[in-house]
Amino acid sequence: DAKTTQPTSMDCAEGRAANLPCNHSTISGNEYVYWYRQIHSQGPQYIIHGLKNNETNEMASLIITEDRKSSTLILPHATLRDTAVYYCIVSQGAQKLVFGQGTRLTINP
Amino acid sequence: DTEVTQTPKHLVMGMTNKKSLKCEQHMGHRAMYWYKQKAKKPPELMFVYSYEKLSINESVPSRFSPECPNSSLLNLHLHALQPEDSALYLCASSPVVAGGGYEQYFGPGTRLTVT
Repeated sequence: DAKTTQPTSMDCAEGRAANLPCNHSTISGNEYVYWYRQIHSQGPQYIIHGLKNNETNEMASLIITEDRKSSTLILPHATLRDTAVYYCIVSQGAQKLVFGQGTRLTINP
Repeated sequence: DTEVTQTPKHLVMGMTNKKSLKCEQHMGHRAMYWYKQKAKKPPELMFVYSYEKLSINESVPSRFSPECPNSSLLNLHLHALQPEDSALYLCASSPVVAGGGYEQYFGPGTRLTVT
């Protein structure tokens, strides 16, 4: 599975959009991009996934570049409860998820 | 019901003890997982069960013994653990779909301390 690179930490003001980048330059054609987050002392929570097209659900939007070498997770109106570690994972099958170090996102009031 | 439950929430055990962690889901998922998470580190996959059969073992030491007695239950039997095995143990479940593209649902974890 392709490796991912994410910034170690990011800050965002409450109410603003949080844009979390992820580089996955070695992604192959049949690999999905998954995003999970982990709020302190809780189990990881699935956010969204995509293969080629941009995706949106009630939690977030996922923008994947045309060459699929990078993606951005967008939380449209961040709240304090969105403070968490966000993991970008690239995997062909969803069974073997390899978590990287993730981005620690802090939402500030 | 989209919940994965894990018991106990906390466990303290000595190096000579035998204990078990339990995980349960009622979403009809046929894949279940054990992860280990050390403090300030990302979760690491340990085992995957697919249709109640062990499909992935990430070279986990034999002092950890998984068991999937039915499609809703997953156990992790612990024996002769070391202090460095202290961690948060996470269980997850998912459907089994060829080609990927589905989510894993995680439980809240069992925080294990080995003394």
